[in-house]
Amino acid sequence: QAVVTQPSSLSASPGASASLTCTLRSGINVGTYRIYWYQQKPGSPPQYLLRYKSNSDKQQGSGVPSRFSGSKDASANAGILLISGLQSEDEADYYCMIWHSSAWVFGGGTKLTVL
Amino acid sequence: EVQLVESGGGLVQPGGSLRLSCAASGFTVSSYYMDWVRQAPGKGLEWVSVIYSAGNTYYADSVKGRVTISRDNSKNTLYLQMNSLRAEDTAMYYCAREVDYVLGTWGQGTLVTVSS
Repeated sequence: QAVVTQPSSLSASPGASASLTCTLRSGINVGTYRIYWYQQKPGSPPQYLLRYKSNSDKQQGSGVPSRFSGSKDASANAGILLISGLQSEDEADYYCMIWHSSAWVFGGGTKLTVL
Repeated sequence: EVQLVESGGGLVQPGGSLRLSCAASGFTVSSYYMDWVRQAPGKGLEWVSVIYSAGNTYYADSVKGRVTISRDNSKNTLYLQMNSLRAEDTAMYYCAREVDYVLGTWGQGTLVTVSS
């Protein structure tokens, strides 16, 4: 079982909100991890969005709009990237990442379609 | 301006070797944690390796024993020496600078294709 799992795709309408999940493998407690989120558009390298561990330990990337925010669902053992007020330019691949066992581990990525 | 420029990619036969370079400008490579991340065509991101400012190195299990990360302070350049290459190593290879555990600056990548 993968350390970090993301749904492969998600669709949402312009102006709506999208909740992207990043589920940690059973036995790995999401509460102890900082979850990092990256956005990647076709033909470009990834760009850092934000990281979230708790409300007292979070960081927004430079220039990243506040409509991108992080949270956790402890019951689901998952990190969440919430994008509100979806815009067409938010259509991209989104990756979560954690530092686990002396290695950065990426989720498989979620392709967000805004239509 | 902080900038990273990768080079050294290309077509190599299975079992061959390749050394990737990542030339940095606007900062000193040895003062930061520096990473390599790869992305197979049409696939997701996979972390490869990191070198700390103190010189510690870490590797993904998928490349351990076949890959070596290093830097040349005089050239302000990061390297990734890859040996015993396999078809599954085919990917775009990105270097990235870590600041406060954030991979905040990325290069445009260099493509490695392993094929006979």
